Amino acid sequence: SQQGEEDPQALSIQEGENATMNCSYKTSINNLQWYRQNSGRGLVHLILIRSNEREKHSGRLRVTLDTSKKSSSLLITASRAADTASYFCATGLGRLYFGRGTQLTVWP
Amino acid sequence: DVKVTQSSRYLVKRTGEKVFLECVQDMDHENMFWYRQDPGLGLRLIYFSYDVKMKEKGDIPEGYSVSREKKERFSLILESASTNQTSMYLCASSPGPSGGYTFGSGTRLTVV
Repeated sequence: SQQGEEDPQALSIQEGENATMNCSYKTSINNLQWYRQNSGRGLVHLILIRSNEREKHSGRLRVTLDTSKKSSSLLITASRAADTASYFCATGLGRLYFGRGTQLTVWP
Repeated sequence: DVKVTQSSRYLVKRTGEKVFLECVQDMDHENMFWYRQDPGLGLRLIYFSYDVKMKEKGDIPEGYSVSREKKERFSLILESASTNQTSMYLCASSPGPSGGYTFGSGTRLTVV
């Protein structure tokens, strides 16, 4: 399967702490994407990192990619209660394969 | 603001009914997708389309069909709804093979 797998399945932290989620995948990739899903809603695209990039930033988000280990990580710094959501990694060209997600809960 | 619009947020249908789920995007995107999302199973691709009047089967096409008569509209059809099609249905579009997806808000379908 080309599906990415996120780790951990669930993460619970306090506001102000950093949250790190990991994604592992099995095949060669062109790019890797991260999405957020608030409860009962559609997914929102957060960031795309290409296979020739090692790190990318967007606001409080930092994504790293290690193609030799076939893994990526998403770091959310200074988490807020509003960051509570499920986070998915996705890979693929044309059609995307999504993992099952990490459920992040940020407590006030 | 660019948008993917799904016609219904919640839908309740009876077993055996023909169900239409509509999706419209205003971004002139080439690619459109239908996924279903179930607890523990993640997102599974039902059908996708790279162009008008073109469709490709995803991983779980059985019991579904699609229609793309216009670039901006991609419809998912449940030919004869069954209870195991109770799910959250997500439509998405993308500008090309390497682009990020824009998702609709989802339709939570219950088949009774």
